[in-house]
Amino acid sequence: GNSVTQMEGPVTLSEEAFLTINCTYTATGYPSLFWYVQYPGEGLQLLLKATKADDKGSNKGFEATYRKETTSFHLEKGSVQVSDSAVYFCALKSPHESGGYNKLIFGAGTRLAVHP
Amino acid sequence: DSGVTQTPKHLITATGQRVTLRCSPRSGDLSVYWYQQSLDQGLQFLIQYYNGEERAKGNILERFSAQQFPDLHSELNLSSLELGDSALYFCASSAGGGAGETQYFGPGTRLLVL
Repeated sequence: GNSVTQMEGPVTLSEEAFLTINCTYTATGYPSLFWYVQYPGEGLQLLLKATKADDKGSNKGFEATYRKETTSFHLEKGSVQVSDSAVYFCALKSPHESGGYNKLIFGAGTRLAVHP
Repeated sequence: DSGVTQTPKHLITATGQRVTLRCSPRSGDLSVYWYQQSLDQGLQFLIQYYNGEERAKGNILERFSAQQFPDLHSELNLSSLELGDSALYFCASSAGGGAGETQYFGPGTRLLVL
């Protein structure tokens, strides 16, 4: 079936460091890909998304490119801040999944801790 | 603030009991989704309703049921609760459903079964 694999955390960085969180997926056809962020004690917020191959999603300095050839959607940010400390979830929606485009399939999440 | 509201924020109950979680979607959204977030299973899709009708089902236990009312709010009913049902339950909403459509998540209800 369809699935998402994320790098295990926690990822610990100093402020202004470069961030990469790896995400790869297994899916039939062309899924839509998402990054959600969960700040402590809060629900999930959409960070960015891409719906077709080679699309780049970007928001708040974060970006990710939909790579069909490597089935990846890695999240990057050039200079992280303490306020970026959160759990980041990669997710997909696929028409070939039971429930189709109606359900999000999430990775396990990657915790990011940024220190001053 | 996503515009999706969930009540209650926290719920503590005993094994064997039944609870109801409530969700109000964003204004104008017709679809409501329920997800369970637990330490061992991660974030899992439970069920979706669209304009009052069940649209999609995930790994939802038979002890769990949901419905969406004419005013579009939704309730998730959990019965014969077990310790393993302790989790964070999220509701999300969207306009309808589709490839690139964003699902907006509520703050969640944290359920603790003792």
